[in-house]
Amino acid sequence: DAGVTQSPTHLIKTRGQQVTLRCSPKSGHDTVSWYQQALGQGPQFIFQYYEEEERQRGNFPDRFSGHQFPNYSSELNVNALLLGDSALYLCASSLDSNYGYTFGSGTRLTVV
Amino acid sequence: TQLLEQSPQFLSIQEGENLTVYCNSSSVFSSLQWYRQEPGEGPVLLVTVVTGGEVKKLKRLTFQFGDARKDSSLHITAAQTGDTGLYLCAGAWNFGNEKLTFGTGTRLTIIP
Repeated sequence: DAGVTQSPTHLIKTRGQQVTLRCSPKSGHDTVSWYQQALGQGPQFIFQYYEEEERQRGNFPDRFSGHQFPNYSSELNVNALLLGDSALYLCASSLDSNYGYTFGSGTRLTVV
Repeated sequence: TQLLEQSPQFLSIQEGENLTVYCNSSSVFSSLQWYRQEPGEGPVLLVTVVTGGEVKKLKRLTFQFGDARKDSSLHITAAQTGDTGLYLCAGAWNFGNEKLTFGTGTRLTIIP
């Protein structure tokens, strides 16, 4: 049973560009959350998707947006990239009405 | 702002020794989770505690939730080199698929 799958694993972008990160949740999970983890810090909550809608959002600017598809997979989009957006982006899936998250291995984004 | 403080930030001990990591907040959690994260990987859930005063054991790891549900500790007995990693506590302030607020982590190194 595959866990959470994220792609790509690594990405280098130039400041001002746009990026799309992808996540396939664990089989049977219907809720997807995205986190940003800067080097040496704990993950910070970006937003959560359930039933194809954004259910909760953390303190991130509108440059960060997302989408959830009918098959529960999700995308994270970041526009107008800044150097400070360089981080490990983690996707976590869970089954609604339960807690306990399964994390993917993340996408390492470097903005130059 | 709801913050989770972990201590110590770094810990390096000899194999076979015991250690305790702490997670503290001024707010009351509905549940608290502990994760371990290896380099280049996403966090892996170790345990979820939900009841004040609850103690859970996972082999050599003992997790305790404070009576007031504001703090937690992780105790490792007879540490092994395989315990090396970043230990993260994460709190949720509502039951269900609530966003997690992570602590800054404790980087544990076990010396052979």
